[in-house]
Amino acid sequence: DTAVSQTPKYLVTQMGNDKSIKCEQNLGHDTMYWYKQDSKKFLKIMFSYNNKELIINETVPNRFSPKSPDKAHLNLHINSLELGDSAVYFCASSQGPGVRADTQYFGPGTRLTVL
Amino acid sequence: AQSVTQLDSQVPVFEEAPVELRCNYSSSVSVYLFWYVQYPNQGLQLLLKYLSGSTLVKGINGFEAEFNKSQTSFHLRKPSVHISDTAEYFCAVSNTGGFKTIFGAGTRLFVKA
Repeated sequence: DTAVSQTPKYLVTQMGNDKSIKCEQNLGHDTMYWYKQDSKKFLKIMFSYNNKELIINETVPNRFSPKSPDKAHLNLHINSLELGDSAVYFCASSQGPGVRADTQYFGPGTRLTVL
Repeated sequence: AQSVTQLDSQVPVFEEAPVELRCNYSSSVSVYLFWYVQYPNQGLQLLLKYLSGSTLVKGINGFEAEFNKSQTSFHLRKPSVHISDTAEYFCAVSNTGGFKTIFGAGTRLFVKA
């Protein structure tokens, strides 16, 4: 049973297209995240949601729009894709506020390549 | 504001040798500290974390880390590495109330036969 799953695993697309990445967690967690990992493995938080509400938006271009239909899902839609968007995108979840040293559980990643 | 510095981008080591991966952090408030591991083509998974109490924290796969408040460090150690320990290791810090975890740039551990 996969705790945090993402689809698709690979995404190859042309500049200017719009694409979505889906994320689901079956851990019963309240908080979910999107991270971007660049080619040098640097991991940067993009968004954090708690109980379907946006908590953190780390100066991400508004071409990126997260959507959380329920606590178990956090999808990422990207408009007008650019070459610099090529990266691996990770979804993660954690129990949420009030938990000391909250551990994050990561999905397997989605490798996005923009041509 | 918090930050994490991993002092080595790559650490090559021979199998069965000891290894230390260095991490320094800065924060004006109390923090929690973490080490995560990322195996090739996978997501990150938790190795160990420090909340409070004993400064020596033991994690999975024989790893341990020592919290040093005066030196603001949280170095990761393993007395004898295996080929299967080859991976990217991330030190991370979060404050005691927030939703944000800051990750270091990662250290690539490469274990050679």
